[in-house]
Amino acid sequence: GESVGLHLPTLSVQEGDNSIINCAYSNSASDYFIWYKQESGKGPQFIIDIRSNMDKRQGQRVTVLLNKTVKHLSLQIAATQPGDSAVYFCAESNDYKLSFGAGTTVTVRA
Amino acid sequence: NAGVMQNPRHLVRRRGQEARLRCSPMKGHSHVYWYRQLPEEGLKFMVYLQKENIIDESGMPKERFSAEFPKEGPSILRIQQVVRGDSAAYFCASSPGPKNTEAFFGQGTRLTVV
Repeated sequence: GESVGLHLPTLSVQEGDNSIINCAYSNSASDYFIWYKQESGKGPQFIIDIRSNMDKRQGQRVTVLLNKTVKHLSLQIAATQPGDSAVYFCAESNDYKLSFGAGTTVTVRA
Repeated sequence: NAGVMQNPRHLVRRRGQEARLRCSPMKGHSHVYWYRQLPEEGLKFMVYLQKENIIDESGMPKERFSAEFPKEGPSILRIQQVVRGDSAAYFCASSPGPKNTEAFFGQGTRLTVV
């Protein structure tokens, strides 16, 4: 079946460095993608989204890149901080239904 | 404006008991979604409801699971005769309209079946 997945289950990054989290998706018909952050014991928190007619979108310290040719999505976090430690999920949206990947655990080293 | 409220936050049930999970959407939101998250996995869609209507329950197990969103009160996810495999975190999200681009998630209910 079609699914959304992440390349790496864990990422360790030095505080102050940039983080890159990758995601591969398989449903070429998806037109909307979202990155979520989930801290321990909490629900998913919206970070940034992007529509399929775009290839890049920037937020505060975060950038999402979309490559539809290879069905790849990435989240870049600039100047990673300890508060960025969490599990990050990409999700593709089909109308009202979100399909989540398995997540990447980001650990920030002091 | 309070966010999506779920209760209880933690629920322990013995095998064979019933579990009732509640979700109060954000004010002004009439669309509710339930997702289940198993350990070390992403969230999986279960059901989408509007007030008094089930729109899509394609992610719900065929037996023992049911959901409702009455005209008054919270949305309820009900699991009858729980088994150990039902242990998971259950998240509710709500949105003002049918598009989940504006959906916000609650903190979840962590169900443990012993």
